[in-house]
Amino acid sequence: NAGVTQTPKFRVLKTGQSMTLLCAQDMNHEYMYWYRQDPGMGLRLIHYSVGEGTTAKGEVPDGYNVSRLKKQNFLLGLESAAPSQTSVYFCASRTPGLAGEQYFGPGTRLTVT
Amino acid sequence: GNSVTQMEGPVTLSEEAFLTINCTYTATGYPSLFWYVQYPGEGLQLLLKATKADDKGSNKGFEATYRKETTSFHLEKGSVQVSDSAVYFCALSKAGANNLFFGTGTRLTVIP
Repeated sequence: NAGVTQTPKFRVLKTGQSMTLLCAQDMNHEYMYWYRQDPGMGLRLIHYSVGEGTTAKGEVPDGYNVSRLKKQNFLLGLESAAPSQTSVYFCASRTPGLAGEQYFGPGTRLTVT
Repeated sequence: GNSVTQMEGPVTLSEEAFLTINCTYTATGYPSLFWYVQYPGEGLQLLLKATKADDKGSNKGFEATYRKETTSFHLEKGSVQVSDSAVYFCALSKAGANNLFFGTGTRLTVIP
């Protein structure tokens, strides 16, 4: 099993450009998440999905959109990148239940200039 | 609401020292509690968990006990190694919530 994979690993964007981050998992998990991690801020939840075709807003959704067209994939889009979106982005999927374990991808480091 | 508070870092210890990282939580009912570890340049991975009061989670020499009376889940290790240098996150999950609630993380550096 590859677990949770993310592409790309690194990206540099100019202000106003758009991009899509791809997350894929091969564990058949229903729940998937997108987080951003900034220095000293811990993890902040952007959007999440509880199943194919569903999405929901997290703590910091503004400036991002997501889609879950297939169960194994969860896409995060930035329509018009801003320097404030410079961060490391992590995708995760989760086993069901209250004690479900969350599995994280290796992260995407995004810089917006 | 649901929240997790971790001790401020960074923490620097010498090899073989005793480690404690404090974690307290706010939640109604009976959440499940977790410790995740993030090694440099990687994503988070589960270190240990506990699902009910007085449960002890353990893994790789780390332990944490679910204390409902003090709403705490402190992480301990008797003798740290250089390879334990990482950022440690405390987290909780609550019935009815679809996501985990994470603390801000505590950076541990172990020096030889």
